[in-house]
Amino acid sequence: QKEVEQNSGPLSVPEGAIASLNCTYSDRVSQSFFWYRQYSGKSPELIMSIYSNGDKEDGRFTAQLNKASQYVSLLIRDSQPSDSATYLCAVPPSGSARQLTFGSGTQLTVLP
Amino acid sequence: DTAVSQTPKYLVTQMGNDKSIKCEQNLGHDTMYWYKQDSKKFLKIMFSYNNKELIINETVPNRFSPKSPDKAHLNLHINSLELGDSAVYFCASSQWDRGRTDTQYFGPGTRLTVL
Repeated sequence: QKEVEQNSGPLSVPEGAIASLNCTYSDRVSQSFFWYRQYSGKSPELIMSIYSNGDKEDGRFTAQLNKASQYVSLLIRDSQPSDSATYLCAVPPSGSARQLTFGSGTQLTVLP
Repeated sequence: DTAVSQTPKYLVTQMGNDKSIKCEQNLGHDTMYWYKQDSKKFLKIMFSYNNKELIINETVPNRFSPKSPDKAHLNLHINSLELGDSAVYFCASSQWDRGRTDTQYFGPGTRLTVL
């Protein structure tokens, strides 16, 4: 089983809709979870980090963490064409808080 | 005011050559990383240095050798380049906060093409 798994997509949503991106991880003791956004030809940039169970909101973005079920999701409300990018979920691997294991990413397209 | 910079941005070379990629960060971070992103966009850690000390060395061919002259710089030297080395190489940095994985900030990437 891969350490971090994401729906590879691609995922298409109409402008103004809610985009839901999901990520599952294999290590039960993971404590930190990150969502990065990567535009085509650009470098990854952090959107959200979450450390506790529940929801964390930042503008149009909400990260949801459920440690019991080992999943973390990212919701994008009122999706805009500028949100079209690949979204990467990242989790520290077992036994190492100093590095991140990235999922393969979900490509999101927001249709005008 | 570039936080993490890499040079060169593009590198096209022949098989068998030796090349280097340079990375510098001005964020005052103590940890730096090299990642490889292949054509399928999978981002994989290669190396990490903390205060000039190698702390992560994933299963990478020994043709790849990182060097950290100081905590603001991490260079990557690649010997005897192969076709499979073609990828985008990202440098990143973070500040190690005991007990918590901190945010990593990425450089713009170096697109390496081996012909």
